[in-house]
Amino acid sequence: DVKVTQSSRYLVKRTGEKVFLECVQDMDHENMFWYRQDPGLGLRLIYFSYDVKMKEKGDIPEGYSVSREKKERFSLILESASTNQTSMYLCASSSVGYEQYFGPGTRLTVT
Amino acid sequence: DQQVKQNSPSLSVQEGRISILNCDYTNSMFDYFLWYKKYPAEGPTFLISISSIKDKNEDGRFTVFLNKSAKHLSLHIVPSQPGDSAVYFCAASEEYGGSQGNLIFGKGTKLSVKP
Repeated sequence: DVKVTQSSRYLVKRTGEKVFLECVQDMDHENMFWYRQDPGLGLRLIYFSYDVKMKEKGDIPEGYSVSREKKERFSLILESASTNQTSMYLCASSSVGYEQYFGPGTRLTVT
Repeated sequence: DQQVKQNSPSLSVQEGRISILNCDYTNSMFDYFLWYKKYPAEGPTFLISISSIKDKNEDGRFTVFLNKSAKHLSLHIVPSQPGDSAVYFCAASEEYGGSQGNLIFGKGTKLSVKP
């Protein structure tokens, strides 16, 4: 069974704080993704990575950065959290082909 | 501009009846399509997919139909069960088999199956 885990299910941070969201997959997948989900907006791609130390911007990268130092781990960083980054954050991984496997999500609230 | 559109934000169906969820796309280069199901406070789970060389794919109660000329696909659930109540996302990609595997998602349709 594919497993994608995320470091926290719920997180509350203050405006201006630096926030780290961690994602780990156990299937040796090459590709990893970070999305955010907001009501009425569906899933929007923030960043993705198709190899260690490689990263590509998605549709909404502003205010975020990522790190992939190991194949199984992909981190999303909010350098200075803002209230408009309150959202559900979803990590996914995939091998060659398009079936992505998602983690359980992190509900981040920025106050 | 949205490349994948799910025009119905919600759908309500009686238990035992058929649920039909629709999805339209604009990019003729899309060659692989997927449906995901999402329960509240959980990540999406893969449901079923179809490549552009087919027009139908079936898996148990779930069937996906693809009409390439109309750039339209639909997911049929027969018979619908209360446990099917969830948000369903349609997704598409081009370059099937390519290494990057990026998906373009629709905004989702919330299905409610009433007992």
